[in-house]
Amino acid sequence: ETGVTQTPRHLVMGMTNKKSLKCEQHLGHNAMYWYKQSAKKPLELMFVYNFKEQTENNSVPSRFSPECPNSSHLFLHLHTLQPEDSALYLCASSQDLSRGNYGYTFGSGTRLTVV
Amino acid sequence: GENVEQHPSTLSVQEGDSAVIKCTYSDSASNYFPWYKQELGKRPQLIIDIRSNVGEKKDQRIAVTLNKTAKHFSLHITETQPEDSAVYFCAAPSGGSYIPTFGRGTSLIVHP
Repeated sequence: ETGVTQTPRHLVMGMTNKKSLKCEQHLGHNAMYWYKQSAKKPLELMFVYNFKEQTENNSVPSRFSPECPNSSHLFLHLHTLQPEDSALYLCASSQDLSRGNYGYTFGSGTRLTVV
Repeated sequence: GENVEQHPSTLSVQEGDSAVIKCTYSDSASNYFPWYKQELGKRPQLIIDIRSNVGEKKDQRIAVTLNKTAKHFSLHITETQPEDSAVYFCAAPSGGSYIPTFGRGTSLIVHP
């Protein structure tokens, strides 16, 4: 494991279901991110949290709802999703946003399939 | 926001050849340029990065070069091996937010 753990690894859900993705890091990082990765598309930034505060919501539909209870944990709550939301959802962390630029550590992702 | 163009989208080489992937960016304030490698079914991993105060950085068979004037940076892989086969992403943050914009990725295939 890299220090960033995502669960579950795979998720199949119906369009009327509610589910949550979990991300946990023990790297001492203070910034955490959700990205969506679809086939043949660039990585799409969804949400950013810095010191538990949401700093970015990249025009994400309200059927995706993030939660960051502390600097080590990040959730993505899902409800009434559409088939086009099927993708790999990647969590990442970095030192923080204020100390300049540092690389990300990514989790292994959750492969989501909406049926 | 930052605009990052990455080329080529696909690169096929024979084992032992060199591979070069290039990214251009638009925000002149950008000062940190990472490269990530994503093997099939795995997470992206940071493999090398460069800051704007240097022009080149090497780590064994991989190197990154930066041309700030022309606003482009490149990943160089020498003596390629089949295990180098992966998708490679560049990224460049916009100076204001430090959040990177990723390139679309380059699928590198190394034929044995």
